[in-house]
Amino acid sequence: DTGVSQNPRHKITKRGQNVTFRCDPISEHNRLYWYRQTLGQGPEFLTYFQNEAQLEKSRLLSDRFSAERPKGSFSTLEIQRTEQGDSAMYLCASSFLDGQGAAGYTFGSGTRLTVV
Amino acid sequence: AQSVTQLDSQVPVFEEAPVELRCNYSSSVSVYLFWYVQYPNQGLQLLLKYLSGSTLVKGINGFEAEFNKSQTSFHLRKPSVHISDTAEYFCAVTPTSGTYKYIFGTGTRLKVLA
Repeated sequence: DTGVSQNPRHKITKRGQNVTFRCDPISEHNRLYWYRQTLGQGPEFLTYFQNEAQLEKSRLLSDRFSAERPKGSFSTLEIQRTEQGDSAMYLCASSFLDGQGAAGYTFGSGTRLTVV
Repeated sequence: AQSVTQLDSQVPVFEEAPVELRCNYSSSVSVYLFWYVQYPNQGLQLLLKYLSGSTLVKGINGFEAEFNKSQTSFHLRKPSVHISDTAEYFCAVTPTSGTYKYIFGTGTRLKVLA
């Protein structure tokens, strides 16, 4: 078990460019979540997948954001036409949905995005 | 809808002293409760969780928390802190059914002083 892996760890991009982040969850976990954390705040929910199905998207996720989880394995989060307000830490987490529901997420180390 | 309030944004404490980090929540449905710790430039690590049963839960690194349903609180405690406990601590809740998306508080920065 290598934990949840996120790449890249840091990304600096110019405003208007597209960026893509990758998350590799723990292999036996069937749920995958994306959160965004800005400075001095707690993480905010963006979207989640159960296997390959994207089941909910937050209103925080504008049309410029898209997430995929092909084949129910790794996930990608793409931001098109980045804006300075997109600068944040993007966190991925995975969990296994068992009889008790939320057993507790395992978070990755995050991808810190800076839009200049 | 749920909300989480962590009233203390920063808590300074001397090494080997006890500490309590406060968390209050609001929810119209039953929730699970969690405490996570975040070290600089790292993701979040689960400290402990309350799902059901005993209201006193023990976690890693000597931390414990007590669920108080009547006061809608889930305060985190440690009897003796170490310098290495310096970090940001987040309380989170999620409804016991549905999406299990978490609602986080704004965090408490624990600074342990030598």
